[in-house]
Formats: sequence, C-alpha cells, structure tokens
Amino acid sequence: DSGVTQTPKHLITATGQRVTLRCSPRSGDLSVYWYQQSLDQGLQFLIQYYNGEERAKGNILERFSAQQFPDLHSELNLSSLELGDSALYFCASSEGEAYNEQFFGPGTRLTVL
Amino acid sequence: DQQVKQNSPSLSVQEGRISILNCDYTNSMFDYFLWYKKYPAEGPTFLISISSIKDKNEDGRFTVFLNKSAKHLSLHIVPSQPGDSAVYFCAASARRSNYQLIWGAGTKLIIKP
Repeated sequence: DSGVTQTPKHLITATGQRVTLRCSPRSGDLSVYWYQQSLDQGLQFLIQYYNGEERAKGNILERFSAQQFPDLHSELNLSSLELGDSALYFCASSEGEAYNEQFFGPGTRLTVL
Repeated sequence: DQQVKQNSPSLSVQEGRISILNCDYTNSMFDYFLWYKKYPAEGPTFLISISSIKDKNEDGRFTVFLNKSAKHLSLHIVPSQPGDSAVYFCAASARRSNYQLIWGAGTKLIIKP
C-alpha cells in the first residue's frame, strides 16, 4: 500500500460527459501528479501540483483540468469526454517539488462509451 | 517522439535465471533514471534508480547498469523469482526540466516455474 488513495476505482460514462477523479496523497507529501495510461502505452504525465499551486504541465488536453485543495487532496476534471479518453488515470505523490521518487495510487479506470 | 524506449513488450525467463530488461533513451540531457514495477490493478512502485554520474547501482537482487555513451540502461534481476512477474517501466528525467519523468511503454516480465 503506497498510502496514495484514488476514487473511484472504475468509472463508466458516455461521450460528451464530465467526470471528476479524486486523489489523496501520502501523509506529508506536498506534490501531486496526474498521469494517463492508455492501452499498451507508457504513462503520460498530465500535470503536477505542489502545495496547492500548479507546478508543471505535460500533455494535458484543454478539456482536462486539475486542482489541489488546501488539505492537499487533488481532483482531475475531464470534460466533453471522447472515446479516446478511455484509459487508466494514476495519481502519484512525492514529498518535495522534484519528481524523482513518486508513490502511485491504484488508479482509476475510465471507460467512455 | 519517444524519448524513452523499451523495445521488448514482453520477456519470459525461467525461475532462478537472470532477467535483463533494457531501456534506450535519446535525450542526452537526462541525468536520472528510474525503474518502476507494476502489478495488475495496482499503481507502479519504485524499484531502483541511478544517477548519470554512476554506471551501476545495486539493491539486493536488482542491479541497474547505465551506459551513457550508448544511451542505454538495463535492469538485471538475479535470481528471478515468480513474484517478479510484472510490468517494468523505465523512466528518465533531467534536472533542467525539474526532473519531469518521461516513461517508456513498459516490458512485461513473465517468470516461468
């Protein structure tokens, strides 16, 4: 158990809809990262927050947004969903601002029908 | 453009033998490399890392070798055990990019009894 929790575990929705994925980092970790893993692909970095502020952006679509709240939990909002958004979405956390050792949650599997 | 490549989607090894997983990279600015292990239905877990100032790092049964001139790193597992069956991801980062992790697509390791 990495100490990072993600909810929900599975999500099935229709095209055009909006969903919110939630992540609670390990106790004491200030950074939260969001990743997308599509079928047979590596992890694609989406975005990082550090202590409530956006720190880095990766390949995140404009239809996607995230935020980190004062209690350090984070939410990833996906809107106008398309079939191609079906993927595993992982949240990771780390103590500091730099990326090196990150602790991953179990992921949320999103299926867009 | 894939900056980190794991060219073998899968690898099958007999229990007790050596498993060698390979990873190639193209960006010469990468100065930190990590291996993560992922079981089904779980997030990746950190396994071992190496800085570009070293050419070898060992942790128990796991050794990572770095060949900077060839832009190649490998993970050796000796001896391989059934519990090592998992997907292994190679990731690389650069200090100038605040250590944003760039991930390979993963290699599925199967340990045969």
